[in-house]
Amino acid sequence: DADVTQTPRNRITKTGKRIMLECSQTKGHDRMYWYRQDPGLGLRLIYYSFDVKDINKGEISDGYSVSRQAQAKFSLSLESAIPNQTALYFCATSDRKEGATDTQYFGPGTRLTVL
Amino acid sequence: AQSVTQLDSQVPVFEEAPVELRCNYSSSVSVYLFWYVQYPNQGLQLLLKYLSGSTLVKGINGFEAEFNKSQTSFHLRKPAVHISDTAEYFCAVSKGYQKVTFGTGTKLQVIP
Repeated sequence: DADVTQTPRNRITKTGKRIMLECSQTKGHDRMYWYRQDPGLGLRLIYYSFDVKDINKGEISDGYSVSRQAQAKFSLSLESAIPNQTALYFCATSDRKEGATDTQYFGPGTRLTVL
Repeated sequence: AQSVTQLDSQVPVFEEAPVELRCNYSSSVSVYLFWYVQYPNQGLQLLLKYLSGSTLVKGINGFEAEFNKSQTSFHLRKPAVHISDTAEYFCAVSKGYQKVTFGTGTKLQVIP
């Protein structure tokens, strides 16, 4: 079984709909992240959480919200989806016990299309 | 703020030929440097990382990278590529206990 799972893997939705992307991990890591990947732009950080009570905005948080329901679960919501949120979304984890290196472990991604 | 530049968006190379993927970073303090690989339809996985010590870092699948502080570079190399190396490669930098900044990626296309 994969250590970092994301659901759904693919989603097509319409403008204005509320969407939730879910991430679960069995690695026991305390830190979790949400990124979006767009062609030519690499990965950009949306939100990150260093533990259950810690939520931080990344560089492109507008239009998104997150919830850290447990150490193992971190969900990303689009309150009112718009077409320019069409992208590939990745969840990642890292382990504070690995030190300050912040090596990231990625899920398989969710491809979201907003029509 | 830290940043990463990958100048080459695509690199075509023939099978069994050597390859170098370039990465330059900017930071005023010591950093940790990473290369991640993304195979088609998959998430990213760590290829190698530089934390400290020897400037030549060896990773998985025969890749290696050299940290050059004076040139603020961390180029990735492989002496002979295979078809299975076709993927997108991301350079990344972190200053420790802070979020990682990724480059825009380089697509390596290995030609049979």
